[in-house]
Amino acid sequence: ETGVTQTPRHLVMGMTNKKSLKCEQHLGHNAMYWYKQSAKKPLELMFVYNFKEQTENNSVPSRFSPECPNSSHLFLHLHTLQPEDSALYLCASSQVGGGRNNEQFFGPGTRLTVL
Amino acid sequence: AQRVTQPEKLLSVFKGAPVELKCNYSYSGSPELFWYVQYSRQRLQLLLRHISRESIKGFTADLNKGETSFHLKKPFAQEEDSAMYYCALGSNYQLIWGAGTKLIIKP
Repeated sequence: ETGVTQTPRHLVMGMTNKKSLKCEQHLGHNAMYWYKQSAKKPLELMFVYNFKEQTENNSVPSRFSPECPNSSHLFLHLHTLQPEDSALYLCASSQVGGGRNNEQFFGPGTRLTVL
Repeated sequence: AQRVTQPEKLLSVFKGAPVELKCNYSYSGSPELFWYVQYSRQRLQLLLRHISRESIKGFTADLNKGETSFHLKKPFAQEEDSAMYYCALGSNYQLIWGAGTKLIIKP
């Protein structure tokens, strides 16, 4: 498969569950991102990884835990979420460097519902 | 502070009419600006970037540093242009996003 893939596409979980979202990019990029997209709210950047190192954590609650084992894979571990965490979670990748802010390629997202 | 403002949450125009989606930015350096589009049930994707100075699907956007704007324009709207449009500013290998404008093209 090409581009950026995300699994699962839909997830329903209770507040006491533990689950993980997975993202994989097949583009040879060196940076990966997690975003939260809620209805009627701007796109929120959650985490950034450059060369597998986390470079940004935008005050995200600790119930969200990212993991980047290599430059092609990105996980978002979820535990004890709240109903307000229900949203579309988007993964993106880009090739950074050379002083340019290059295009980000997005996955289809995981639609998360917390009951 | 670095910021992107899209003043219109919703824009509705008739098919064949001109379209202008507004975007203003605040940035101290030399900006790199993008327009992304999200069609219904599709992933967010790049529409165009100011560096390329190209027209994609009939859309153009000109960077106006004096007015700190990067408005998206199309002379004749088509029904398939209905989508969510986001303006974004590149900064430190990240993108700062506007809130988005939902464009509806009426038949």
